[in-house]
Amino acid sequence: EVQLLESGGGLVQPGGSLRLSCAASGFTLSSYGMRWVRQAPGKGLEWVSDISASGRTTHYGDSVKGRFTISRDNSKNILYLQMNGLRAEDTAVYYCARRGEGNLLHFEYWGQGTLVTVSS
Amino acid sequence: EIVMTQSPATLSVSPGERATLSCRASQSVSSNLAWYQQKPGQAPRLLIYGASTRATVIPARFSGSGSGTEFTLTISSLQSEDFAVYYCQQYNNWPLTFGGGTKVEIK
Repeated sequence: EVQLLESGGGLVQPGGSLRLSCAASGFTLSSYGMRWVRQAPGKGLEWVSDISASGRTTHYGDSVKGRFTISRDNSKNILYLQMNGLRAEDTAVYYCARRGEGNLLHFEYWGQGTLVTVSS
Repeated sequence: EIVMTQSPATLSVSPGERATLSCRASQSVSSNLAWYQQKPGQAPRLLIYGASTRATVIPARFSGSGSGTEFTLTISSLQSEDFAVYYCQQYNNWPLTFGGGTKVEIK
């Protein structure tokens, strides 16, 4: 069974940093691209970042480009999101998700999410 | 950026009735379109990808159609567990983008 378990969320002050982790199980992480998606309270879904199976190719949404860094450790089956320069508008539940079979770019499996709150 | 527009924002339907949800892309996304269901307090769940392919263990009452810029998700006979928010998402171009969602509520 595919499982994705996020951790690392919490309360952080504006301008601060946080690193999210996503532990993957039930599949071979090194075979799939992975991504982060966020959802602000009461709002819709916003794609944040994507990383290829090898980790060589990354993509970012404009709202986080230059501040967030996606990475992965396939040997540990963990996906990361390093978030720097956090702003109030980054407050959201952050989900990690796996690409579809054949590395199609839809979101086939989702974690349960971790809440990040940016506030002073 | 491809803008995805969903309509209506809210759909009131009685159990057992048919629900039709629309999603429009600001430019062609071919068939690279997915639909997700999200219930309160839960993560989204993949329903449809490739515009019309049901994901694993998704009931046959869910069907998707369309290509290019116009897409439809149909729920043939609404069950109590289907009342939720539905999102479309294009994966033809970066950045990946979602529609604003359609809330399906009990009439």
